[in-house]
Amino acid sequence: AQTVTQSQPEMSVQEAETVTLSCTYDTSENNYYLFWYKQPPSRQMILVIRQEAYKQQNATENRFSVNFQKAAKSFSLKISDSQLGDTAMYFCAFMNTLTTSGTYKYIFGTGTRLKVLA
Amino acid sequence: KAGVTQTPRYLIKTRGQQVTLSCSPISGHRSVSWYQQTPGQGLQFLFEYFSETQRNKGNFPGRFSGRQFSNSRSEMNVSTLELGDSALYLCASSLGQYNEQFFGPGTRLTVL
Repeated sequence: AQTVTQSQPEMSVQEAETVTLSCTYDTSENNYYLFWYKQPPSRQMILVIRQEAYKQQNATENRFSVNFQKAAKSFSLKISDSQLGDTAMYFCAFMNTLTTSGTYKYIFGTGTRLKVLA
Repeated sequence: KAGVTQTPRYLIKTRGQQVTLSCSPISGHRSVSWYQQTPGQGLQFLFEYFSETQRNKGNFPGRFSGRQFSNSRSEMNVSTLELGDSALYLCASSLGQYNEQFFGPGTRLTVL
């Protein structure tokens, strides 16, 4: 069964610094998608970045980038030049591709609460 | 475009009661997924509907059920509520399986 593990329940970083959030996953599949979602306090969850497993190049979205290590099943999120607005709960998620039975799984980690300090 | 909306935003029920939560997806989105979010467990996938059919189901008891209407709006029902059902229930819609999921604000259910 697929699992997603976020081993850092809470983290803090100084404004303008860089922080890396860890995520590991377990799967026997070769094709899948990985996501990082952000859930600010009392606000809706939004997608930060996505990575297709078949792509070797790490995804980047402005100050957000990932370090995707397929062999190690690791998918960390790096936030550069941290801003106060980055304070949120961050969830790592795994989605496999459609199976022959027509089903797929969307699995989230337990989240990392990030606080950016002024 | 209007985002995903969920009603009600807050609910307080007592054990044994049942509850129905509603989700209106973004216009044009046919896939609607439901999640249960609790502090200790994170997000747990409940089920996903596409074109009025339940396409995927998580590991939740039969007390949790759902449906989707022809306009893609979805409802989730929980019967015989238990204290452990207290959680934030999130709905997410997407164009299709490989597309980004857009989340609603959630319905916070408290079971007393």
